[in-house]
Amino acid sequence: AQSVTQLGSHVSVSEGALVLLRCNYSSSVPPYLFWYVQYPNQGLQLLLKYTTGATLVKGINGFEAEFKKSETSFHLTKPSAHMSDAAEYFCAVSRGVLTGGGNKLTFGTGTQLKVEL
Amino acid sequence: DGGITQSPKYLFRKEGQNVTLSCEQNLNHDAMYWYRQDPGQGLRLIYYSQIVNDFQKGDIAEGYSVSREKKESFPLTVTSAQKNPTAFYLCASSIRAEAFFGQGTRLTVV
Repeated sequence: AQSVTQLGSHVSVSEGALVLLRCNYSSSVPPYLFWYVQYPNQGLQLLLKYTTGATLVKGINGFEAEFKKSETSFHLTKPSAHMSDAAEYFCAVSRGVLTGGGNKLTFGTGTQLKVEL
Repeated sequence: DGGITQSPKYLFRKEGQNVTLSCEQNLNHDAMYWYRQDPGQGLRLIYYSQIVNDFQKGDIAEGYSVSREKKESFPLTVTSAQKNPTAFYLCASSIRAEAFFGQGTRLTVV
């Protein structure tokens, strides 16, 4: 079974400050890990993903995340927050087994990021 | 442009009615998924399909039904057996490790 825990349902930062959104996972097999962003009443957009290889993954909009197997973590960071980063962020895990049809995601409960002036 | 189209964007249902949410993709993906989103609960998997004419229940399939007659289409029916259907519904398709999402349908029971 897989699960994802996102610590902090709401995070508030000042514009220009570091953004850190925490994600810990549980998986019985090597995981694939993802961060998605959602703006109000919209679908999810992929920020970045880890499958294999380099453990530091860079994504869109200046975000990055580091896969730490020993800590079972995949925290999302951005050095300097912008007002446009205000949104809800979801961490997700899937089984690290490639099939032609992909595999289903298990999501965390989300973290609402607020960016203040 | 390639993508996933969900319709309608907003849907209102009277208690006791069945409603069908549409999901169409032109990405040529084999796998498609339906998720339900409620505030504070993240996304929960309702049904998924890895290939045409085959689908499996997810974590919260009770009160829902699906069909997969065409690769491009994966409609979700919310039946009267679903006691709390008011939610935001998201359809997705995937190729290998990456999932792509539609813009969602907000269903409200009136």
